[in-house]
Amino acid sequence: GQQLNQSPQSMFIQEGEDVSMNCTSSSIFNTWLWYKQDPGEGPVLLIALYKAGELTSNGRLTAQFGITRKDSFLNISASIPSDVGIYFCAGPGGGADGLTFGKGTHLIIQP
Amino acid sequence: GAVVSQHPSRVICKSGTSVKIECRSLDFQATTMFWYRQFPKQSLMLMATSNEGSKATYEQGVEKDKFLINHASLTLSTLTVTSAHPEDSSFYICSVPIGSGGSYNEQFFGPGTRLTVL
Repeated sequence: GQQLNQSPQSMFIQEGEDVSMNCTSSSIFNTWLWYKQDPGEGPVLLIALYKAGELTSNGRLTAQFGITRKDSFLNISASIPSDVGIYFCAGPGGGADGLTFGKGTHLIIQP
Repeated sequence: GAVVSQHPSRVICKSGTSVKIECRSLDFQATTMFWYRQFPKQSLMLMATSNEGSKATYEQGVEKDKFLINHASLTLSTLTVTSAHPEDSSFYICSVPIGSGGSYNEQFFGPGTRLTVL
């Protein structure tokens, strides 16, 4: 099946710094989704991307759908403590429109 | 988006017993729901697709006789883990897809159910 490679696996940053993470796939995706998961909770949808080259923002978050349709990145500007968590990229590729998830980027913010 | 609830939020059971987990779509009628499983420090893995009015479809390697899925209505899907064993201990999360034209572009997740089998 389709695989998503997400990097970096973890990030240790200072509060106020910008963050960038990316996701690549072995095959073309028609949709890219970015989720954030806090400990013990379900993932929350941050941004959805539908077109190659699309750049979409949600507050301090910006994500882009790569032109090749095989990659996407998520940027977080001016990080704050509540940004801590695990960020997952995902795309359709599971059975019957289920999602395939990347392995996640664990964001840790040092005060 | 869709608001999704799960019950219970956590459950501890003895090996060999069965556990039922409910997933409810509170503000959206869902003909399809998805069930995922997440082991500690790992990503979410799709287990099965729950279809209202028809049988669930399972991903490769997921035992349909062990993980019984019933999509009782447009707002409720249940996952029953039968004869649970310690290796079934995991975080089970359901999702409700929203999209158009038969393509589910966005999925909204429930808060998850933590299952611990002793």
